[in-house]
Amino acid sequence: QSALTQPRSVSGSPGQSVTISCTGTSSDVGGFNYVSWYQHHPGKAPRLMIYDVSKRPSGVPDRFSGSKSDNTASLTISGLQAEDEADYFCCSYAGSYTWLFGGGTKLTVL
Amino acid sequence: QVQLVESGGGVVQPGKSLRLSCAASGYTFNTYGMHWVRQAPGKGLEWVALISNDGTNKYYADSVKGRFTISRDNSKSTLSLQMDSLRAEDTAVYYCAKTTTVVKSAFDIWGQGTMVTVSS
Repeated sequence: QSALTQPRSVSGSPGQSVTISCTGTSSDVGGFNYVSWYQHHPGKAPRLMIYDVSKRPSGVPDRFSGSKSDNTASLTISGLQAEDEADYFCCSYAGSYTWLFGGGTKLTVL
Repeated sequence: QVQLVESGGGVVQPGKSLRLSCAASGYTFNTYGMHWVRQAPGKGLEWVALISNDGTNKYYADSVKGRFTISRDNSKSTLSLQMDSLRAEDTAVYYCAKTTTVVKSAFDIWGQGTMVTVSS
């Protein structure tokens, strides 16, 4: 099993929208609706932002949204704010109680 | 509030052992499964192991199977990871994380991590 593929970096100006992609295979992203996204500020605990492809946990702003098409999941952040600058990781259930993560995407707010 | 705090990291020689711990608080520990996830320097996250809420079911990534053992003590709200036959490629920050109600779904609470360095 290989890690899920994410762009290494994305950037956007305050107020703009950015989308981070996460590509897997039919054995993980495409095979289950268990894709999740995590925000990680280095040195801190990762934070769950999206689960089950498009659901938001309590407390996560509705500026964050998730979707999936075939073997690719996406995280969209609208109305970018300075505090959104962080690393973002996707994760997918891969069957038999195993999980795959993406390599991470560094979001820079210009 | 719900909190996970890892401990036990350090520098260890290849082939040696190390035991990590994760102290949970703020929720009913024995209701949820627990994971270990790691991040090597400059790399992405890698799932390591899962233990069910009652400790009866355990699952491992192929990269650690046969070398690492996950366990839990529900009376002490503590999760552990026994790491044997350590290799340089095991060098990483190790995080414990709580499962959601649906185990397959996500990792909803994470600790801040503990660093393990395997080096001679």
